[in-house]
Amino acid sequence: SQTIHQWPATLVQPVGSPLSLECTVEGTSNPNLYWYRQAAGRGLQLLFYSVGIGQISSEVPQNLSASRPQDRQFILSSKKLLLSDSGFYLCAFGRSGKNIQYFGAGTRLSVL
Amino acid sequence: ILNVEQSPQSLHVQEGDSTNFTCSFPSSNFYALHWYRWETAKSPEALFVMTLNGDEKKKGRISATLNTKEGYSYLYIKGSQPEDSATYLCAYTYGGATNKLIFGTGTLLAVQP
Repeated sequence: SQTIHQWPATLVQPVGSPLSLECTVEGTSNPNLYWYRQAAGRGLQLLFYSVGIGQISSEVPQNLSASRPQDRQFILSSKKLLLSDSGFYLCAFGRSGKNIQYFGAGTRLSVL
Repeated sequence: ILNVEQSPQSLHVQEGDSTNFTCSFPSSNFYALHWYRWETAKSPEALFVMTLNGDEKKKGRISATLNTKEGYSYLYIKGSQPEDSATYLCAYTYGGATNKLIFGTGTLLAVQP
């Protein structure tokens, strides 16, 4: 069966520190991969998506970057966190076509 | 700007009440409309995907309708139960970017026993 793993569940980081959130998918090959953020009081905002290894599309200009070093691995990074990077980050995978997306459990990031 | 609006923002009902929420989206270049349920401390879970104008989908006590010409979808819950308490998200996909979901801010439903 297809599963998605995302870690850590919670993270508290000081302003200016680096960030690395990892997401891996099992049970499927060549999935579309996505990073979303939900900031306080706002909806899920698509940050990055990838349709293949090394292929990253950025949706909004920001302090974050994404990488896909392997088919089923998607990493969200930052060199220096800002206060405004706080939020709830969700990883998801989907297939082309109707694109039902399956979400990980999320990471709550607090930048202090 | 592609905007998906959901209303109401939140809803408190009693167990047994029936309820409905609205999702509005751009009607041009429509591809698909998704409904997700997001319970606290869990991952968002797909409920329905609808693509055709007039589509109606049903899963147990939950159903959804779609009007692509006017750009809206309704989600109905019949006889709400406490376990229905969750945030209900709708998301829209448009032609030319069918890999991307644009989400609304959700409707938070609280069902009191």
